[in-house]
Amino acid sequence: SQQGEEDPQALSIQEGENATMNCSYKTSINNLQWYRQNSGRGLVHLILIRSNEREKHSGRLRVTLDTSKKSSSLLITASRAADTASYFCATGASGGSYIPTFGRGTSLIVHP
Amino acid sequence: DGGITQSPKYLFRKEGQNVTLSCEQNLNHDAMYWYRQDPGQGLRLIYYSQIVNDFQKGDIAEGYSVSREKKESFPLTVTSAQKNPTAFYLCASMRSTEAFFGQGTRLTVV
Repeated sequence: SQQGEEDPQALSIQEGENATMNCSYKTSINNLQWYRQNSGRGLVHLILIRSNEREKHSGRLRVTLDTSKKSSSLLITASRAADTASYFCATGASGGSYIPTFGRGTSLIVHP
Repeated sequence: DGGITQSPKYLFRKEGQNVTLSCEQNLNHDAMYWYRQDPGQGLRLIYYSQIVNDFQKGDIAEGYSVSREKKESFPLTVTSAQKNPTAFYLCASMRSTEAFFGQGTRLTVV
């Protein structure tokens, strides 16, 4: 099954800095989504970017998508300690039933 | 409040026992999913159901079983055939392509 892979696996920054994490995937997609998971909790949907979009913003989040490179990036600007969490990208193959598949995630630690 | 409710939050299983994890949703979503999460492994798909009375195996279905008798409910049974069941289990439902997750059940074999 298709799977996105996040990079880096872990990221440690200071409050106020920007955090960038990347996702690569293997086959054609209709859209790509980013989720956040606080430790020991379920995942929460952050943002969706469609295959015909190149960039999307939501508050302090900026997502880009490069379908030619099969990659996406999530930028969190002006990070806060509360942003500490794991971040996952999710993809589903184009055509047929949409079954979200997730990568291993990026673990972000924001130091106050 | 609409959402996905998983219970229990923590579950302990003895060797050789079957245990059932509950997942209930009141979002009126047709599709529901079960994932397993191990440290460093991300989420792996166990089973999914896109309509009542129908379900499909995911990538790691061996040792697990499910039922989908009602739209609201998608319980997962971890059978004694699952040799390494200790993990964090997540249930999700889907609206279009957006997944809504429960808070998870942490299963430990004792």
